[in-house]
Amino acid sequence: DAGVIQSPRHEVTEMGQEVTLRCKPISGHDYLFWYRQTMMRGLELLIYFNNNVPIDDSGMPEDRFSAKMPNASFSTLKIQPSEPRDSAVYFCASSFWGETQYFGPGTRLTVL
Amino acid sequence: DAKTTQPPSMDCAEGRAANLPCNHSTISGNEYVYWYRQIHSQGPQYIIHGLKNNETNEMASLIITEDRKSSTLILPHATLRDTAVYYCIVRVPITGNQFYFGTGTSLTVIP
Repeated sequence: DAGVIQSPRHEVTEMGQEVTLRCKPISGHDYLFWYRQTMMRGLELLIYFNNNVPIDDSGMPEDRFSAKMPNASFSTLKIQPSEPRDSAVYFCASSFWGETQYFGPGTRLTVL
Repeated sequence: DAKTTQPPSMDCAEGRAANLPCNHSTISGNEYVYWYRQIHSQGPQYIIHGLKNNETNEMASLIITEDRKSSTLILPHATLRDTAVYYCIVRVPITGNQFYFGTGTSLTVIP
């Protein structure tokens, strides 16, 4: 298996623009997690899905953030409108039955 | 999930064993100890996990004390590529329980 795939790897955008991050989990995994990592706050969980259903979105910072999982092999994290403080590395991870999580390479987002 | 305490940084000579400690004095009976590492600019990488018995895999060994209040991750022959931040996490591996990544230990392997 190719592991968790994320795209794009780098994204530079201007404040106010919409940003969409994409994730393909490992085939057969039924849990998908979105994390954000910054120097100030470390690695923090934003939202996770089980069988394509959002279970806990309490980590989503505000309404500008939304996540979807239309099928078992694809998820998106959208920020609209983006702000400079959203600059971070965003990781997607997947697991089977809530066990060991496997992380993707991340998307480095810079909002100017 | 129980909190963990790790030293902020450690050095290790290349080729020597790296022993990374973790305190988890409030761990409960059904919580496992997980170790991940994060090499600069990459996603966290799973290393090993265990409940109470010592565990070994191709990457490392995990030694958990009998009272389970602390553990040690051992990299038997550290290489420069092992330079990374190592995270010790305790959690119940039931469905949906998230991983809380603390600040970890920054390990530097010195040539």
